[in-house]
Amino acid sequence: GAGVSQSPSNKVTEKGKDVELRCDPISGHTALYWYRQSLGQGLEFLIYFQGNSAPDKSGLPSDRFSAERTGGSVSTLTIQRTQQEDSAVYLCASSLGGGPGDIQYFGAGTRLSVL
Amino acid sequence: EDQVTQSPEALRLQEGESSSLNCSYTVSGLRGLFWYRQDPGKGPEFLFTLYSAGEEKEKERLKATLTKKESFLHITAPKPEDSATYLCAVQAGFQKLVFGTGTRLLVSP
Repeated sequence: GAGVSQSPSNKVTEKGKDVELRCDPISGHTALYWYRQSLGQGLEFLIYFQGNSAPDKSGLPSDRFSAERTGGSVSTLTIQRTQQEDSAVYLCASSLGGGPGDIQYFGAGTRLSVL
Repeated sequence: EDQVTQSPEALRLQEGESSSLNCSYTVSGLRGLFWYRQDPGKGPEFLFTLYSAGEEKEKERLKATLTKKESFLHITAPKPEDSATYLCAVQAGFQKLVFGTGTRLLVSP
């Protein structure tokens, strides 16, 4: 079956513009995660969705960042009024049940460049 | 605060030259330690999960081990195709993974 799919693969935007990043998880996976990978830094957790439960938003760096997951499947990460420090690779992952030790499978990421 | 430190930052090996990568961690209540491989321009690819001290897992030329404070990824007789960044992550409590910054491995023929 298909893996985690992210689009676009690359996004160049101007400072102050809004962007939307999309993630299609593996079919049947109930848990979905967003991470950010900045140059020279480790992956940084942003947000976690599990089924119909309220998402864990504890990693979102500011209120300019938001995410939603529709129908328990596709997720969109929105960054409003982008800043240059938002430039990074945004990675989406999904796992079967979201339980302890569950393997998270990653997409190829969206590389965001804010000019 | 959960923390993961990987060393070395970069490692250059000759083909066939075995070595080990280190992942030191501090976490309250380890649920799992994960190793991933990441190639340039791609997302992390899952390699292993370890759950308790003393556990070992192997896959081809790779072997992962776990103690209460650290994990090692042993690479035996590496080949150029093993060149990648190797990421270590821990999971504790909530489902998020806490990652180290990775070890960039280059294997020369």
